[in-house]
Amino acid sequence: EVQLVESGGGLVQPGVSLRLSCAGSGFTFSSFGMNWVRQAPGKGLEWVSFISNSGNIYYADSVKGRFITSRDNAKNSVYLLMNSLRVEDTAVYYCARDRGFNSGRTLAFDIWGQGTMVTVSA
Amino acid sequence: DIQLTQSPSFLSASVGDRVTITCRASQAISSYLAWYQQKPGKAPKLLIYAASTLHSGVPSRFSGSGSRTEFTLTISSLQPEDFATYSCQQLNSYPWTFGQGTKVEIK
Repeated sequence: EVQLVESGGGLVQPGVSLRLSCAGSGFTFSSFGMNWVRQAPGKGLEWVSFISNSGNIYYADSVKGRFITSRDNAKNSVYLLMNSLRVEDTAVYYCARDRGFNSGRTLAFDIWGQGTMVTVSA
Repeated sequence: DIQLTQSPSFLSASVGDRVTITCRASQAISSYLAWYQQKPGKAPKLLIYAASTLHSGVPSRFSGSGSRTEFTLTISSLQPEDFATYSCQQLNSYPWTFGQGTKVEIK
């Protein structure tokens, strides 16, 4: 079964760091780009970051300079290191598989994890 | 950044109804648009990509159309399991953005 499983969320104070992990299984992890998407309570989806299968990385402006995305293909995992956390970073964080359907570019996110909750509060 | 505006934000409908949701982009995005369904407490599920291509396993009552700045998601005959929130996403240029969502509720 193709699946993604996130971990690492929790309750933290503003200003601290937290690292999320996302483990993939059931597919050739190294062949796919991966995304992080978050959803604040009661709000819509917000794309956070993308890492290609070759290691190219993009970030949303809201997290640029604070969050760092990385991957370890040997462990079939992608990570999101979140530094200098703010109250407004409170959200469910999803990892999602990037899919191009043989087009050579991203066309959608086809597999999503169950999400991990990050709460930033004093 | 490209903004996506969905209308309506809330929709009340009955089983069997034909439902149409619109997604408007602030600038042309060709056909680089995807639609997702999300139920409370669950992750989004991909329905349609490239504006009109039905993802594998998605029922044929779902369809998508449009290009450049205006797109629609249509459910031809609403089923009980379709009551959910639907979101569009543009993948034309970074940062990839989502619409605010359309909640489809039972009338």
